[in-house]
Amino acid sequence: KAGVTQTPRYLIKTRGQQVTLSCSPISGHRSVSWYQQTPGQGLQFLFEYFSETQRNKGNFPGRFSGRQFSNSRSEMNVSTLELGDSALYLCASTPGGSSGNEQYFGPGTRLTVT
Amino acid sequence: DQQVKQNSPSLSVQEGRISILNCDYTNSMFDYFLWYKKYPAEGPTFLISISSIKDKNEDGRFTVFLNKSAKHLSLHIVPSQPGDSAVYFCAAPRKGGGSQGNLIFGKGTKLSVKP
Repeated sequence: KAGVTQTPRYLIKTRGQQVTLSCSPISGHRSVSWYQQTPGQGLQFLFEYFSETQRNKGNFPGRFSGRQFSNSRSEMNVSTLELGDSALYLCASTPGGSSGNEQYFGPGTRLTVT
Repeated sequence: DQQVKQNSPSLSVQEGRISILNCDYTNSMFDYFLWYKKYPAEGPTFLISISSIKDKNEDGRFTVFLNKSAKHLSLHIVPSQPGDSAVYFCAAPRKGGGSQGNLIFGKGTKLSVKP
């Protein structure tokens, strides 16, 4: 089975721009979660989608949004980029049902905001 | 308060010896814990987990111990190998609230296994 894939792997943007990151979960997995990893804060939960609906949301501003498509692929969008948004963005999938527990991660998208 | 803490940012051990990585948590309602391993430029990889109804779970060279009274868990790697060099994260599913069920991570411990 193919693992979780994320595109693009690297991205450089300028402050004020917006960005869209994409995640394809493991085939058959219906839950997709997004995390932000920074050196200072570690891995922090952004949101989770299940069956095209946002099921959970972390403590991030409204500039961070996401969506999930009928094939379970997910995108996250960050608008009005700030320097502090520079981070590794990780996507993880699970089969669904109860949320949390074992999650399978993609390689991440490294976003640099200049 | 729901936190998972890894107080040692790094650990260095000799090949063949035991590596012990520690993790503390604040919420006694946590009922499941996971360890992930992360290499540079890759996403975290699930390693081993433990339910709060157990105090030990073993998988090959990896054993996780849970001490609920101390709110402490540890990951033992025996024997350690150079390929184990990575960042190890402890995690627990969040309980209740708007973010119910998703993972809270510690900040990681970087393990270096020297040949």
